[in-house]
Amino acid sequence: DVQLLESGGALVRPGGSLRLSCSASGFTSGTSFDTSAMSWVRQSPGKGLQWVAAISGGGDYIYYSDSVKGRFTISRDNSRDTLSLQMKNLRAEESGAYYCVMDRRQQVNLFQGFFWGRGTLVTVSS
Amino acid sequence: SYVLTQPSSVSVAPGETATIPCGGINIGSRSVHWYQQKAGQSPLLVIYFDSDRTSGTPERFSGSNSGNTATLTISRVEAGDEADYYCQVWDRDSAHVVFGGGTQLAVL
Repeated sequence: DVQLLESGGALVRPGGSLRLSCSASGFTSGTSFDTSAMSWVRQSPGKGLQWVAAISGGGDYIYYSDSVKGRFTISRDNSRDTLSLQMKNLRAEESGAYYCVMDRRQQVNLFQGFFWGRGTLVTVSS
Repeated sequence: SYVLTQPSSVSVAPGETATIPCGGINIGSRSVHWYQQKAGQSPLLVIYFDSDRTSGTPERFSGSNSGNTATLTISRVEAGDEADYYCQVWDRDSAHVVFGGGTQLAVL
């Protein structure tokens, strides 16, 4: 099965920056990183799931939630099976677990999270 | 943007049937996906495209979608089904992935 491993979570001050990474592995026949749309999903402590950003398999279509647009940048390196999220001007309410999520299809539309990582914890606090 | 509404909690006795609704304007025209999240774990996709079960999802789980409500139904509920359940759609108008607020299923 596909495994997703997030890293980069840390304690950061409000207004600070952080870069998250997600490494994908375990692909079997019919599945590959570069044909899979990817998303970042956040979950604040005790709260629900909140979508942050998504990118198509080829990296040519990118979407952001309204709250992070202009401050966060999602990107992928298909040669390294890696997804990234550059976060700037972080806010306290953006603390939580950040999950790397993979679809089985290339397009972001109709996104379904077939595979989830264990999450990496971001704490935004002074 | 598009809003999905779920009850905060649903309670059911073991062996009974749990019904978890997900409301949205004309949600029947959209594809709905359902996730199960047990305490301390990552979410797990259980139903996609309204009613398709993933390979690991028991047949006791089923989904439907019509009008303004999509529904996740769990038959013969077991203690191990206790979890938070989230519905999700792709909103083409805003180009956003949208999650419902989640429903905590309690098995009494």
